[in-house]
Amino acid sequence: QVQLVQSGAEVKKPGASVKVSCKVSGYTLTEVSIHWVRQVPGKGLEWMGGFDPENGKAFYAQNFQGRVTMTEDTSTDIGYMELRNLRSEDTALYYCATVSTGVPLSFFDPWGQGTLVTVSS
Amino acid sequence: EIVLTQSPATLSLSPGERATLSCRSSQSVGTYLAWYQQKPGQAPRLLIFDASNRATGIPARFSGSGSGTDFTLTISRLEPEDFAVYYCQQRFSWPPLTFGGGTKVEIK
Repeated sequence: QVQLVQSGAEVKKPGASVKVSCKVSGYTLTEVSIHWVRQVPGKGLEWMGGFDPENGKAFYAQNFQGRVTMTEDTSTDIGYMELRNLRSEDTALYYCATVSTGVPLSFFDPWGQGTLVTVSS
Repeated sequence: EIVLTQSPATLSLSPGERATLSCRSSQSVGTYLAWYQQKPGQAPRLLIFDASNRATGIPARFSGSGSGTDFTLTISRLEPEDFAVYYCQQRFSWPPLTFGGGTKVEIK
């Protein structure tokens, strides 16, 4: 079964960048692909972006266009999400989650444990 | 963008009672809808996919129904571990993928 382990908590200043990693085990990044979901403390789930499992193209939510880059390293089975020009409103838990590749987009199963990113001056 | 509206925002019930949660879509999503459970301090967990299919390891007391724009998650008899927040999500049209705002099932 797929297991996801994310990198540890980060504290960043406004204007900085953060890069969160998500290590896949049990499967490879040729068999699954990664999406990222954000959750502001006490609030709901917000999809940030991810890869089309049929063609590998990355898609981003409009709210993050121009500030986010998602990549997958198939040699290490690690996915990355980089968010730039951080502001205080980006303080949130960032989750990775996987979908199967080679088929139309499925639902997220499983999820990583989450990475807390705090943006504070 | 497809908007998912969940109701009620909070459901106060006792263990053993039946829980009925609603998710309404701004346009038809066929049966391309999932339900997730999130407990405090934990990541979401997939419960139901494609409207009515239980994910691996999910107890039979959880069931999903609906199609088009109206969906329901039913928990037949609430166990103590079922008190959590539940989210619906559509994959019919993306980007973006969208989630509902969540329903909190709390102990009465």
